[in-house]
Amino acid sequence: GNSVTQMEGPVTLSEEAFLTINCTYTATGYPSLFWYVQYPGEGLQLLLKATKADDKGSNKGFEATYRKETTSFHLEKGSVQVSDSAVYFCALSEYGNKLVFGAGTILRVKS
Amino acid sequence: NAGVMQNPRHLVRRRGQEARLRCSPMKGHSHVYWYRQLPEEGLKFMVYLQKENIIDESGMPKERFSAEFPKEGPSILRIQQVVRGDSAAYFCASSPGTGGNGYTFGSGTRLTVV
Repeated sequence: GNSVTQMEGPVTLSEEAFLTINCTYTATGYPSLFWYVQYPGEGLQLLLKATKADDKGSNKGFEATYRKETTSFHLEKGSVQVSDSAVYFCALSEYGNKLVFGAGTILRVKS
Repeated sequence: NAGVMQNPRHLVRRRGQEARLRCSPMKGHSHVYWYRQLPEEGLKFMVYLQKENIIDESGMPKERFSAEFPKEGPSILRIQQVVRGDSAAYFCASSPGTGGNGYTFGSGTRLTVV
C-alpha cells in the first residue's frame, strides 16, 4: 500500500539556519504530494503541494520538488524564523481521495 | 466565509460513555474526511463521506465507531463505549470534490477518556 516516511525529529535550529526535512514515499501510481504544517493546538494547514514529477511547490519561503526517480519530496527553507516552529507533515494523495500522512517532524527554531 | 467547523474543541468522557464529534464542512464542500491523530503520531485516515453516503471506511475500527453525513446538518463521528485508547485528536477535512488538492482541515476535537 501507499506510505510516507519522514525524518524523525525534533529538528532544532537557530534562527536564519537552513532547513531540510526529508520525505520519501511509496505509491502504486502517480500521487500528488503535499506538505502540511500544524501549529500547537491547531489543525493542519496546507503549506505547499506538487501534482506531477519535477513540479516545485513553494509558499512562504518553503520549497519542495517532486522527484519521481528518488520518490522524494524534501522540504527546504533557506532561512528559518522562530515563527516556523511547528510540526510538519508530508502526505500523498492518489486518485484524489484520502491523504496518507507521514509521522510528522517537529521543528524548533531558537532565537 | 467560515472554514471547517468542528465541535466541541475538547471532550472528556468516562470509559463506557459515548462520544459524538461534529464537523460542519466549508460552504460548498460536499466531501468530508475524518482522521485520527494519536499522541506523537501522524494522522490516520478513518472514513470518507459524501452527503448521505459512506464512500470509504477502510480506516474505521470494526466496532464501536460509526460516521454519518446526513442531507442536512453536520457530519457526525460517533464512538460508543469509549476506552482509554480512543483518546486522541480527531480532525475533519472537507473538499468540494475528490480531495487531495482542495482539502481544508478543521481545528480538531481533542477527546480524553478518563
